[in-house]
Amino acid sequence: AQSVSQHNHHVILSEAASLELGCNYSYGGTVNLFWYVQYPGQHLQLLLKYFSGDPLVKGIKGFEAEFIKSKFSFNLRKPSVQWSDTAEYFCAVNANTGFQKLVFGTGTRLLVSP
Amino acid sequence: DSGVTQTPKHLITATGQRVTLRCSPRSGDLSVYWYQQSLDQGLQFLIQYYNGEERAKGNILERFSAQQFPDLHSELNLSSLELGDSALYFCASSPARGGTDTQYFGPGTRLTVL
Repeated sequence: AQSVSQHNHHVILSEAASLELGCNYSYGGTVNLFWYVQYPGQHLQLLLKYFSGDPLVKGIKGFEAEFIKSKFSFNLRKPSVQWSDTAEYFCAVNANTGFQKLVFGTGTRLLVSP
Repeated sequence: DSGVTQTPKHLITATGQRVTLRCSPRSGDLSVYWYQQSLDQGLQFLIQYYNGEERAKGNILERFSAQQFPDLHSELNLSSLELGDSALYFCASSPARGGTDTQYFGPGTRLTVL
């Protein structure tokens, strides 16, 4: 069975600081990887996704993530965070078997202070 | 706005009762997914329907059932409710039935069981 670990449960940063959120997954086969964001009181929105090709993926709002197959990792990064990035971030994976069952990590709450 | 709508937004009910949550997918999307988000379990996949048929099943209790109608909207039925069923229930939709589809999430229904 697949599983996803997000090691940072709470992160507090000042504006303009750099962000890196860790995500590791457990699955022996080919996977599709996603980062979703949930702003306070809102629904989940897709930040970026990786299916194949260039392991460095760029998403919306200046976010990017790097897939490192050997480390089973898909870390999310942003060079300079803004107060509006305060949200909860979820890493998710699905096995590339044709099914779309997303397995989510426990989420990381990011608080950006102005 | 993802284009996925869910009703009601909030639902408060008592233990032992039965409720129905409704989801309308984005126009043209054939797949509907249900997820449960709770403090102790995180975000968990419940079930997927594709064009009216059950496609994949996750950690869905026997007391819960779902269906997708010919107009592609879906309903999640929760019966014999327990305190532990209190959670945020998300619906998501995608164009096709699996693989590399992106899932678009609705705003969720917050269920409180008293």
